[in-house]
Amino acid sequence: DAEITQSPRHKITETGRQVTLACHQTWNHNNMFWYRQDLGHGLRLIHYSYGVQDTNKGEVSDGYSVSRSNTEDLPLTLESAASSQTSVYFCASSESSGVVDTQYFGPGTRLTVL
Amino acid sequence: QQPVQSPQAVILREGEDAVINCSSSKALYSVHWYRQKHGEAPVFLMILLKGGEQKGHEKISASFNEKKQQSSLYLTASQLSYSGTYFCGTEKASNTGKLIFGQGTTLQVKP
Repeated sequence: DAEITQSPRHKITETGRQVTLACHQTWNHNNMFWYRQDLGHGLRLIHYSYGVQDTNKGEVSDGYSVSRSNTEDLPLTLESAASSQTSVYFCASSESSGVVDTQYFGPGTRLTVL
Repeated sequence: QQPVQSPQAVILREGEDAVINCSSSKALYSVHWYRQKHGEAPVFLMILLKGGEQKGHEKISASFNEKKQQSSLYLTASQLSYSGTYFCGTEKASNTGKLIFGQGTTLQVKP
């Protein structure tokens, strides 16, 4: 069955370290998204991509980067982790239907920056 | 630009009804509803497109009032399994695929 996976599921790192969170989907969806979820803020969009070699900044992109080299993967990199980036990170994907696209979410990665 | 959800939290007894609202100050193309259980990923419920259509999913339905730029989620005869946090995601103007989510409404259904 097609699915969307994230790894690792839990990560503890130290301030200043570079961290990469993986997102892999097997639906062959063109659109992929990264969100962070913090108490009281809901889901906030970090970066998104409409296809290979395409990346766009979301509302909270500072300190994060993404690259899209193939359809299946959109890794999220924290260049220099900060305590403010402690959060739960969700990846999502959707098909580009041209009418309306349903986003399907991965299981999430809980990141703690000490 | 984040949509505003109300109420922030609601507690129900099994069998009672609830309404969750999602309001935007911007013109919307679509509204997407998700439910999230604690420690899990958000799960898609339904999409409303502009035009005021109402959709249903068993005892959960939703409407979209284009004039008010507001969507409402109706939960009828609530069950324990309905407990969780409900999020609306809004898409502006046209089919961009990009959603801005509200802050969520926590629903607790008690026996």
